[in-house]
Amino acid sequence: QPQLQESGPGLVKPSETLSLTCNVSGGSISDTTYYWAWIRQSPGKGLEWLGSVFHTGITFYTPSLESRLTLSVDTSMNQFSLRLHSVTAADSALYFCARHLNPTVFGIVPFDYWGRGILITVSS
Amino acid sequence: DIQMTQSPSSLSASVGDRVTITCRASQNVGNYLNWYQQKPGKAPKLLIHSASNLQTGVPSRFSGDGSGTDFTLAIDSLQPEDFATYHCQQSDSSPWTFGQGTKVEIK
Repeated sequence: QPQLQESGPGLVKPSETLSLTCNVSGGSISDTTYYWAWIRQSPGKGLEWLGSVFHTGITFYTPSLESRLTLSVDTSMNQFSLRLHSVTAADSALYFCARHLNPTVFGIVPFDYWGRGILITVSS
Repeated sequence: DIQMTQSPSSLSASVGDRVTITCRASQNVGNYLNWYQQKPGKAPKLLIHSASNLQTGVPSRFSGDGSGTDFTLAIDSLQPEDFATYHCQQSDSSPWTFGQGTKVEIK
């Protein structure tokens, strides 16, 4: 079973860039069966899918964040990353990384493995 | 974006009860509907995918039904470990969206 673990700073200043990394163990991030995703959870908005990345670097994002969000993958380290630019207090949330099936092959997109989450606070 | 609406937002039930949670999509999502269970301080756990398919290892007291816009998650004979928050999620079209969650509490 794969294990996912988020890492990054717990506190980010407004207008700065949030950088998070998800380390994947127990499976290869280059497995073509899967995409790798970021999801966040805040009290006011529930769970929100942010975007997904394939091992080749193909990405897709939720439209509301597309202008500020960059996802990338490092196959040599078996990890993937999130960069969210120009953060505000509204970006404070619990951020999860997760795995899902390749939608172009399988159609369905259940998030079957998740990290434990990392709490991010945006504050000066 | 497809809006997912769960009802109720919370409910109180006793051990042994049958519980039903409803999820409604703002447009047709076929059977591309998944259910998750989340306990405090933990990540969501996939229970059911494709509306009615039990994820491996999930107890058979959980079941899912529905298609199109209306879906249900049922828990037969509620167990102490089932008190949690349940989320639905559509995977018909991007952006994939979640319901706001239903909290199942002990009566």
